[in-house]
Amino acid sequence: DMKVTQMPRYLIKRMGENVLLECGQDMSHETMYWYRQDPGLGLQLIYISYDVDSNSEGDIPKGYRVSRKKREHFSLILDSAKTNQTSVYFCASTSGNSGNTLYFGEGSRLIVV
Amino acid sequence: QQKVQQSPESLTVSEGAMASLNCTFSDGTSNNFRWYRQHSAKGLEVLVSIFSDGEKEEGRFTAHLNRANLHVSLHIREPQPSDSAVYLCAVRRNAGAKLTFGGGTRLTVRP
Repeated sequence: DMKVTQMPRYLIKRMGENVLLECGQDMSHETMYWYRQDPGLGLQLIYISYDVDSNSEGDIPKGYRVSRKKREHFSLILDSAKTNQTSVYFCASTSGNSGNTLYFGEGSRLIVV
Repeated sequence: QQKVQQSPESLTVSEGAMASLNCTFSDGTSNNFRWYRQHSAKGLEVLVSIFSDGEKEEGRFTAHLNRANLHVSLHIREPQPSDSAVYLCAVRRNAGAKLTFGGGTRLTVRP
């Protein structure tokens, strides 16, 4: 079953706390993404991972880092969360075999207070 | 940097009437276009992909691409209330390039 799973789905953190968002996919896709979605700004790309330990910054990487130690898992880490990082975060995966269609998770809503 | 803009921001149609959504992009060398749908608090599902000028139909969803006009549209035939969602246009310059999303059109289909 083709699926991208994100955990947790909802999270409230205080400013300065660490945040870990996790993403898993069962399609053996090489490429995975983290986006954030904010009203009026659409989806903005934070990081891309082309495979294990092969990560590249997207358009808005500042304040985030990522980890990809297994092909099926891609983590987004906020080391000291800020209130302007309140958003909905989406993970996606793709491969050449899927025609480069991105498959998205259901999103993780993060509130930083 | 690629800019992708969608119009209108919101659209309300009656059940059964055609719904038309627009997307313009800035990079005329783009050759990879997709329309996604996002129901509230859910992830995105791909509706239709189009890679050359003309039209591409997937069920009730038809995409029209005119690269000379930097324009791709989505037409939804016989929309139903369950089609109420945010529709996102995504454009990529080539297979290896980043995908750039528009800001979305919120479609409401009234019974």
